[in-house]
Amino acid sequence: DAGVTQSPTHLIKTRGQHVTLRCSPISGHKSVSWYQQVLGQGPQFIFQYYEKEERGRGNFPDRFSARQFPNYSSELNVNALLLGDSALYLCASSLVTGRGNQPQHFGDGTRLSIL
Amino acid sequence: DAKTTQPPSMDCAEGRAANLPCNHSTISGNEYVYWYRQIHSQGPQYIIHGLKNNETNEMASLIITEDRKSSTLILPHATLRDTAVYYCIVRVVNAGNMLTFGGGTRLMVKP
Repeated sequence: DAGVTQSPTHLIKTRGQHVTLRCSPISGHKSVSWYQQVLGQGPQFIFQYYEKEERGRGNFPDRFSARQFPNYSSELNVNALLLGDSALYLCASSLVTGRGNQPQHFGDGTRLSIL
Repeated sequence: DAKTTQPPSMDCAEGRAANLPCNHSTISGNEYVYWYRQIHSQGPQYIIHGLKNNETNEMASLIITEDRKSSTLILPHATLRDTAVYYCIVRVVNAGNMLTFGGGTRLMVKP
């Protein structure tokens, strides 16, 4: 069975540009969450989406936005890129919104480098 | 979500059991304990979770103390491929999908 897939795997951008990262959840999973992992630290929660609506948001600026499509795939958009946005961006999917104890399953991420 | 405390690093000999401790002394009654691991350059991998009973699956066992203030993840026969950062996370039921990752334990399995 296919796991969570993310694209692209690697990306290089310059300051001020914008970027779009994509995620396809595990088949049947309707909830998608995004995390940022800076080198040497644990992942930090950015967004959760379920049924195309934002259900949770972490402490990130408005330059970060996301959306979910009818097929439950998702995009993370970051505008006006800063050097500090260089990180591994992880997508995770789960069966439901988080009610109960359904675990999240992660993709291998998109490594974004800002020059 | 309750805060967790884990040792920053541990070593284990290949073939031996790896016992990874986690302290969550402020855990509340509706919080589950989750364990994930992250192998270099990969996304976190779900291992196991539990509420108050001990749990076992094909990857590991989770032992939760009776007062639920600490837990231990046991890898019964560690291999070199188990070398990774292991994260212990507590999460409130019905609180959405947010997982709060701490620093984790870097487990080094040595031949």
